[in-house]
Amino acid sequence: DAGITQSPRYKITETGRQVTLMCHQTWSHSYMFWYRQDLGHGLRLIYYSAAADITDKGEVPDGYVVSRSKTENFPLTLESATRSQTSVYFCASSETQEYGYTFGSGTRLTVV
Amino acid sequence: AQSVAQPEDQVNVAEGNPLTVKCTYSVSGNPYLFWYVQYPNRGLQFLLKYITGDNLVKGSYGFEAEFNKSQTSFHLKKPSALVSDSALYFCAVRDIYNTDKLIFGTGTRLQVFP
Repeated sequence: DAGITQSPRYKITETGRQVTLMCHQTWSHSYMFWYRQDLGHGLRLIYYSAAADITDKGEVPDGYVVSRSKTENFPLTLESATRSQTSVYFCASSETQEYGYTFGSGTRLTVV
Repeated sequence: AQSVAQPEDQVNVAEGNPLTVKCTYSVSGNPYLFWYVQYPNRGLQFLLKYITGDNLVKGSYGFEAEFNKSQTSFHLKKPSALVSDSALYFCAVRDIYNTDKLIFGTGTRLQVFP
């Protein structure tokens, strides 16, 4: 199916564990983004990528790692999860600067 | 640095009345401006955008937004609200000369009462 998919939809993990959130898009969009959504903060950019093998930090990158070896995939890894990383994570993609983003359905992550 | 502000955490309106959700922005160059809507347990959906041209932009579901450069605003409007419009609305800005990414506001919850 065409679109942007995130997995898993829900995840519970323990403090200190490594966890990877997956994002896959089928359009070959150049740009991909990871945001976290928290009450009172809206959406905050974690990392973004302008193309395969090109990534850059956003507003809140600490504790996160990304990679983009293929255009269609943009996984987000929490190296050692902390409770402050409990959030809803959204992946998005965009074809060019003129277009808006298309968002995935989100991953609700709980760190206990 | 670019930024966007949504001064109201929540807007309440009766069904059938006009609605306005406010957004102001700050960029160093010319802005690209967007509105997104989020329904419960869903991702954000694109509503409309302003890139250039007419200051009044029409989008999905009967929404429109007016770009006002002198007031650095991009308010979202709809002539007649529906209960189904109740959702979380985000304004976003992109500085076309300085960055590839969108900066989002904190969101405004729209509640439409029957």
